[in-house]
Amino acid sequence: DAKTTQPTSMDCAEGRAANLPCNHSTISGNEYVYWYRQIHSQGPQYIIHGLKNNETNEMASLIITEDRKSSTLILPHATLRDTAVYYCIVRPLSSASKIIFGSGTRLSIRP
Amino acid sequence: DTGVSQDPRHKITKRGQNVTFRCDPISEHNRLYWYRQTLGQGPEFLTYFQNEAQLEKSRLLSDRFSAERPKGSFSTLEIQRTEQGDSAMYLCASSPGTGGNQPQHFGDGTRLSIL
Repeated sequence: DAKTTQPTSMDCAEGRAANLPCNHSTISGNEYVYWYRQIHSQGPQYIIHGLKNNETNEMASLIITEDRKSSTLILPHATLRDTAVYYCIVRPLSSASKIIFGSGTRLSIRP
Repeated sequence: DTGVSQDPRHKITKRGQNVTFRCDPISEHNRLYWYRQTLGQGPEFLTYFQNEAQLEKSRLLSDRFSAERPKGSFSTLEIQRTEQGDSAMYLCASSPGTGGNQPQHFGDGTRLSIL
């Protein structure tokens, strides 16, 4: 079973920041938080990952709470093309481990 | 394009037929994964290769399913005697073989429809 809990759906106005929450209260010390998204009819796309520090790349920012029991993915200026299902995942340090997906959050960006 | 490539993108077949899908991973990625995704659900893990060795198989991978990666490069997934319940998107992913916390990169999948 997935070790994360996410809202089923969210919406956000175009141009605003989209903040997607994720709870992972049973995360272990050697587990990373990963975010993927899946646009309709495409495969999942890697966004970002982190262990305990906040991370930022060209796509998004990842904020992890100090106790690591929850995190937030931030899309700073949402566009219509960000409409997708967003998956929050925890994975052990070993890169060989399979990904266990939950049901994700369906994010809708409104014009 | 240097991403994960899957072929075909769509496959329609009659129940009872055999089908085979191909996945070409990102060059020099040693690890290759197969997942299955049904409508409205997240992808589910099927199997994993490290080079040519198949190291893990999910219980979802029934004896009608077989996956190979003969030379450690491309992989094939075959389903024999297809059933209605096999209708799904079949996704392939790859990742580098060294270093921790390397993300998996996915192809756009093969959508299988069983008539």
